[in-house]
Amino acid sequence: EVQLVESGGGLVQPGGSLRLSCAASGFTFSSYWMTWVRQAPGKGLEWVANIKQDGSEKYYVDSVKGRFTISRDNAKNSLYLQMNSLRAEDTAVFYCARGHYTFDIWGQGTMVTVSS
Amino acid sequence: IQLTQSPSSLSASVGDRVTITCRASQAISSYLAWYQQKPGKAPKLLIYAASTLQSGVPSRFSGSGSGTDFTLTISSLQPEDFATYYCQQLNSYPYTFGQGTKLEIK
Repeated sequence: EVQLVESGGGLVQPGGSLRLSCAASGFTFSSYWMTWVRQAPGKGLEWVANIKQDGSEKYYVDSVKGRFTISRDNAKNSLYLQMNSLRAEDTAVFYCARGHYTFDIWGQGTMVTVSS
Repeated sequence: IQLTQSPSSLSASVGDRVTITCRASQAISSYLAWYQQKPGKAPKLLIYAASTLQSGVPSRFSGSGSGTDFTLTISSLQPEDFATYYCQQLNSYPYTFGQGTKLEIK
């Protein structure tokens, strides 16, 4: 079964750090761009970052540039999002998704809450 | 690139034909996708490249448009179609989403 499973969310204080993981199974992970999308409570979707198959290209939304880092380990079929200097406005469900121009497979999401 | 969906919410009945519009602030060719999201669930891809139906998606869903104006049409609403719909542009970074259209039962 093709599947993405996120983990690593939780409660963190403003200014803190968190690392999200996304475990892929059922497909050749190394053949796909991968993406992070987030959704603040009661709000719409926001594209956050993506990464090319070999990790050589990475793109970010302006609001997270310099604070978030996307990475991947193809040997472990895993995608990561290192989040530093977290702010209250980063509170959201974070989804990983497969693809570059089509996000055809999504994980169930992991909740990140930034609060003191 | 900003995407503006209209309407923001819509009430309709089972069997109705529904159209949702997505307008881009600049031309995006056909780099547009549509997603359906139900409460507490991840989004589901419906349409990509403006008009290509994703595998497994019922044929009552269709997409059209290019440049700046796009539409998602549901030809005959089914009970399971009541959800929020988002368009997304993939022409240039950042890949922005529309604000969403909530489709509710009348």
